[in-house]
Amino acid sequence: SYDLTQPPSVSVSPGQTASITCSGDKLGDKYGCWYQQKPGQSPVLVIYQGTKRPSGIPERFSGSNSGNTATLTISGTQAMDEADYYCQAWDSSTVVFGGGTKLTVL
Amino acid sequence: QVQLQESGPGLVKPSETLSLTCSVSGGSISSDYWSWIRQPPGKGLEWIGYIYNRGNTNYNPSLQSRVTISVDTSKNQFSLRLSSVTAADTAVYYCARLGGSGPRGWFDPWGQGTLVTVSS
Repeated sequence: SYDLTQPPSVSVSPGQTASITCSGDKLGDKYGCWYQQKPGQSPVLVIYQGTKRPSGIPERFSGSNSGNTATLTISGTQAMDEADYYCQAWDSSTVVFGGGTKLTVL
Repeated sequence: QVQLQESGPGLVKPSETLSLTCSVSGGSISSDYWSWIRQPPGKGLEWIGYIYNRGNTNYNPSLQSRVTISVDTSKNQFSLRLSSVTAADTAVYYCARLGGSGPRGWFDPWGQGTLVTVSS
């Protein structure tokens, strides 16, 4: 089966840049997505097709791909960005989620 | 804009069948792909399956033997049935639209989720 690996936690100071990685075999070819989930809420799409940002998502959220790693970058991180973040990709016609990363804004 | 709302029993007995419905508003269920995703308490997301073209389905291989997703176009709803449930099936169940026309797509928007507990 196809696996996506994320760090369990990432910490960042307010105003700094946070980077959350997601690793998987040839992930850069698999149109990865990123979701933000705050406590008690449903996930929200923040990046799709690796680098695209849905309408309504702040410009400080960006995505990139390189080989086996996808990265979600949050520039100028704000306290409201503290949440769990999940990457998602496709393995043939099945969906795979990463285990999630808890972003703490200290 | 499309909105989704899950409904169904919050408590199911072990070995019985879990049944949930997702009501879609603001768009036609006859187009697009529609999916179910679950999240056990305190854990990550698990994809269950999706339905498209009014009846074609694709399921998570780990759940395939127990899962059925169906659609009712007259009510603009789609449904999930998961048979022979155990405590491991206790989770928040989400329905979501699968954008981008299926494989290679993305989940947006999501319903608010409904907690289903499996217990006697």
